[in-house]
Formats: sequence, structure tokens, C-alpha cells
Amino acid sequence: EVQLMESGGALVQPGGSLRLSCAASGFTFSNYWMTWVRQAPGKGLEWVANIKQDGSEKYYVDSVKGRFTISRDNAKNSLDLQMNSLRAEDTAVYSCARGGGVVSGPNYYMDVWGKGTTVTVSS
Amino acid sequence: DIVMTQSPDSLAVSLGERATINCKSSQSVLYSSNNVNYLAWYQQKPGQPPKLLIYWASTRESGVPDRFSGSGSGTNFTLTISSLQAEDVAVYYCQQYISNFFTFGPGTKVDLK
Repeated sequence: EVQLMESGGALVQPGGSLRLSCAASGFTFSNYWMTWVRQAPGKGLEWVANIKQDGSEKYYVDSVKGRFTISRDNAKNSLDLQMNSLRAEDTAVYSCARGGGVVSGPNYYMDVWGKGTTVTVSS
Repeated sequence: DIVMTQSPDSLAVSLGERATINCKSSQSVLYSSNNVNYLAWYQQKPGQPPKLLIYWASTRESGVPDRFSGSGSGTNFTLTISSLQAEDVAVYYCQQYISNFFTFGPGTKVDLK
């Protein structure tokens, strides 16, 4: 079964750091672009970051550029999101998602989603 | 950035009736080289992650009931549920992926009347 499972969410103070992980199973992880998407409480979906199959291309939403870093370990079938200088507005459920189809470019829909992990930034 | 808007914000539909959700992009999501629209639709039920319904504006994901259909091109798109079922109560989002920086619409909540 194709599956994504996030972990690492926690309550953290403003200015703090957190590292989220996403464990992939049931498919050849190294063949797919991967994405982080977040959803603030009661709000809509917001794309956060993408990473290419080999990690050579990464894209970020402006609001997290310079603070968040997406990375992957294809040997461990794992996707990470390092979050630094956290702000209250980063409070959200963070989900990882798989790029639909085996595509080479960064233009794809997301066909498999994890259930998410909750990040709360508060003092 | 490409801004996505949706209308209405919410709608209430009787069982078996049609539901229509509109999505508009601030720039065309039609890629001229291949004449394909880079537009997807997702369904999100409470407490669940989003589920892909439609991609390339009109291609139904495997396993999605055929009462769901997508149409449109360029900047204007529609998701239609031809005969609403109780299990279709959810929030629906459109998403553009022609840009390297994805954006979602704000969502449309569908309820039973």
C-alpha cells in the first residue's frame, strides 16, 4: 500500500526550530517529486516546498524562504522539513504529498497525501 | 504568483442534485506547448487529508466516481458533482501547478440542503 506518514510535530516557542519527517512506503520514493503542504487551523491549504527526485531542485513559498529547508534521503525513503525561526503564523498541520506521475519537471499535481503532523508555535 | 479564486465560498445542495464549483486563476494555466491545463481539484473531508479528484483539469483520478467531472480552460474552470451523495460533503480546492510555486484556491464548502 502506498503510504506517507509524517512525524515530528510539536509545540515550540517563537524563534525556535523543529524538524519534520515523512516516511514513504509502498512505492519507489526516488522516482517522485515530493511536497510539503500546510493547513492553519480552520484555514485552507498552503503549498510550502517541493523537492526534485534527486534533491537538486527545491522551491519554497516566499513566507518560508530562508527559514525552512526541504531535504530527502532516498536510501531511507524519507522526506524532511527543517523549520527555523518559527513564527506564530507557521502554526499548522504539515502534510507531505507525492508528485503525481513520474515527472521530470516541477509541475505536477499531488496524488498521495499523508495525514499530517501538527506544529504549534506559541509562548 | 498565480492567485486562485473559487466561487461560491459555500453551497448547500439536496441529495441527488447537481453541485457546481468555479475556480478562476489570475493567469492562464494552459501550457501552449502541449495544450494542457495544469489544474487539479481536491476533496477534503473533516479530519482527513486532501484527496485528489481531478488533474489536467478534466482527468478523473483512478477510483473517483464518475459523478465528479472537471471542465474549463485557460483561467476558468469548473468542478461538477452531477448527483450529490451524502459522502460528498466536504471542502473542495482547486490548485494550479503550471508555476513552480503552487497555489490553491481558498476552498468551497459543500453541504447537504
